[in-house]
Amino acid sequence: KQEVTQIPAALSVPEGENLVLNCSFTDSAIYNLQWFRQDPGKGLTSLLLIQSSQREQTSGRLNASLDKSSGRSTLYIAASQPGDSATYLCAVILGWGAQKLVFGQGTRLTINP
Amino acid sequence: NAGVTQTPKFRVLKTGQSMTLLCAQDMNHEYMYWYRQDPGMGLRLIHYSVGEGTTAKGEVPDGYNVSRLKKQNFLLGLESAAPSQTSVYFCASSYIGVSTDTQYFGPGTRLTVL
Repeated sequence: KQEVTQIPAALSVPEGENLVLNCSFTDSAIYNLQWFRQDPGKGLTSLLLIQSSQREQTSGRLNASLDKSSGRSTLYIAASQPGDSATYLCAVILGWGAQKLVFGQGTRLTINP
Repeated sequence: NAGVTQTPKFRVLKTGQSMTLLCAQDMNHEYMYWYRQDPGMGLRLIHYSVGEGTTAKGEVPDGYNVSRLKKQNFLLGLESAAPSQTSVYFCASSYIGVSTDTQYFGPGTRLTVL
């Protein structure tokens, strides 16, 4: 059974720092991996989707990498801002068609001004 | 364009009561999903639908039923609520479910069962 783990569960850093969030998964037979952002009381917003044939994706200050063989992904946030404070979830996508996403528990990120 | 909406936003039930959560999307998406999110855990898939009139079980389907009578709506029912069903419920939809599609999520329904 696929399991997804995110470490740390919570992270607090001062504004301006670069930071890395980690995601690991137990079965390398995934189609894609996706990073989401969740704000309190809100739904999930997709940040980056990495296809299994890719090694990384970038969007603005965000960069996500994927190493299927080691079962790991990282989300790098450059020059963090208070507006980046949220919970970040990674999910592996199993299979084509109806997407079966397996989520990690999330990392709650706080950026201190 | 409202995206994915969920009704109600909050609800408190007593054990044994029943209720229906409504999810609506205006993006003409074929695929729709219901998840639950519990503290310290990621989202878990309850049921999903690949088109009007179809439904299928996800990871944690017990105690829930679903229906997709119209393409734009996906209903989640609790016939006899239990305290273990206290959770935040999210609905999502995606276009045709290919692996590069993203799911679009609603804002969630916070359900408490006493």
